[in-house]
Amino acid sequence: DGGITQSPKYLFRKEGQNVTLSCEQNLNHDAMYWYRQDPGQGLRLIYYSQIVNDFQKGDIAEGYSVSREKKESFPLTVTSAQKNPTAFYLCASSPRHGEGQPQHFGDGTRLSIL
Amino acid sequence: GDSVTQMEGPVTLSEEAFLTINCTYTATGYPSLFWYVQYPGEGLQLLLKATKADDKGSNKGFEATYRKETTSFHLEKGSVQVSDSAVYFCALSGFMFSGGYNKLIFGAGTRLAVHP
Repeated sequence: DGGITQSPKYLFRKEGQNVTLSCEQNLNHDAMYWYRQDPGQGLRLIYYSQIVNDFQKGDIAEGYSVSREKKESFPLTVTSAQKNPTAFYLCASSPRHGEGQPQHFGDGTRLSIL
Repeated sequence: GDSVTQMEGPVTLSEEAFLTINCTYTATGYPSLFWYVQYPGEGLQLLLKATKADDKGSNKGFEATYRKETTSFHLEKGSVQVSDSAVYFCALSGFMFSGGYNKLIFGAGTRLAVHP
């Protein structure tokens, strides 16, 4: 079955450390997205990518970085510059073209500070 | 800018009760509208969608009608089950010409708790 795989499910970060969250999809979607979810809040967009080797900042990109070297993969790095990284991170993908296309989500990675 | 407003939760119901979760939106143009569901510890799953005015999306007994005149997309179910307990998110998708992609804007989510 096609889908989006995020790993790890739980991740702990020490002060001053960079950590990378993995996102892989086999849906053959061009566009991929990273969201942050805080308790009791909706999702906020961190970064998105429409095609390989291209990505754009979302609404809360500071302290994060991404790469898109392969169509299937869109890893997110939470850098030490992100002072409040504790959150639930969700990766999504969608076909690039066609208005109204829904996004498909992975099961998320929960990041906590040690 | 575009936005989505959902009723605050939690919504607590007995099994077999009728469910309504209100959702209103503000948008330029003609967005598509979605309801997503999130079970504990999981990602979001698409529940239903509507792409134009007066469309009704439906799935698993849930329904929502795209009402342009009231800018609403309320979620309803005639008889809820314990297994429907989850967080429900209303969202709109507008084509962003500047970015050339479909941006999803979410409401804050409404937690539903159904007890036997």
